[in-house]
Amino acid sequence: KNEVEQSPQNLTAQEGEFITINCSYSVGISALHWLQQHPGGGIVSLFMLSSGKKKHGRLIATINIQEKHSSLHITASHPRDSAVYICAVGGGSATNKLIFGTGTLLAVQP
Amino acid sequence: KAGVTQTPRYLIKTRGQQVTLSCSPISGHRSVSWYQQTPGQGLQFLFEYFSETQRNKGNFPGRFSGRQFSNSRSEMNVSTLELGDSALYLCASSLEGTQDTQYFGPGTRLTVL
Repeated sequence: KNEVEQSPQNLTAQEGEFITINCSYSVGISALHWLQQHPGGGIVSLFMLSSGKKKHGRLIATINIQEKHSSLHITASHPRDSAVYICAVGGGSATNKLIFGTGTLLAVQP
Repeated sequence: KAGVTQTPRYLIKTRGQQVTLSCSPISGHRSVSWYQQTPGQGLQFLFEYFSETQRNKGNFPGRFSGRQFSNSRSEMNVSTLELGDSALYLCASSLEGTQDTQYFGPGTRLTVL
């Protein structure tokens, strides 16, 4: 079983829909990261969180430490949100090492 | 500020050769991490450097090595290339470490023939 599990693996949505991507992990963590990767490879860090909730524009990330679960929400989705969304966890207090989920491929259709 | 840069962007090598990839972090960042991305294994941690010291290493064979210079620039080297080493190699930099936000470079696409 992978240490970081994401669901769904693939997601197709219509423009304007509310989208949720889930991440569950089985290891102790110091922080959880949500990353976005567009075709061509570039990865952008969206959120880093260790508790509660963060919001940036139309994106919201939440984490429940007790349940070892995080969600990434996209409100009013747009075709430009189409990308792979990756959940990653950092487990150590003296390291930047990340353990990655397998990613969620999101396609938002106009 | 300029972002993380990686050179070269694309590389084609043959089995048995060796390769060196370079990563220049964002100015002021002292931590550099390297990751390998393949369709089969996804993203995997290779190693991490902070202040010229390897702070952590992933589960890769000894053919994979790296170093960091005093200006925080980092290189990784893969010797005796195998077909399975074909991948996108990404580096990421952060200010200090210990779970800072990481800023990723565009990656080096390595193809081994």
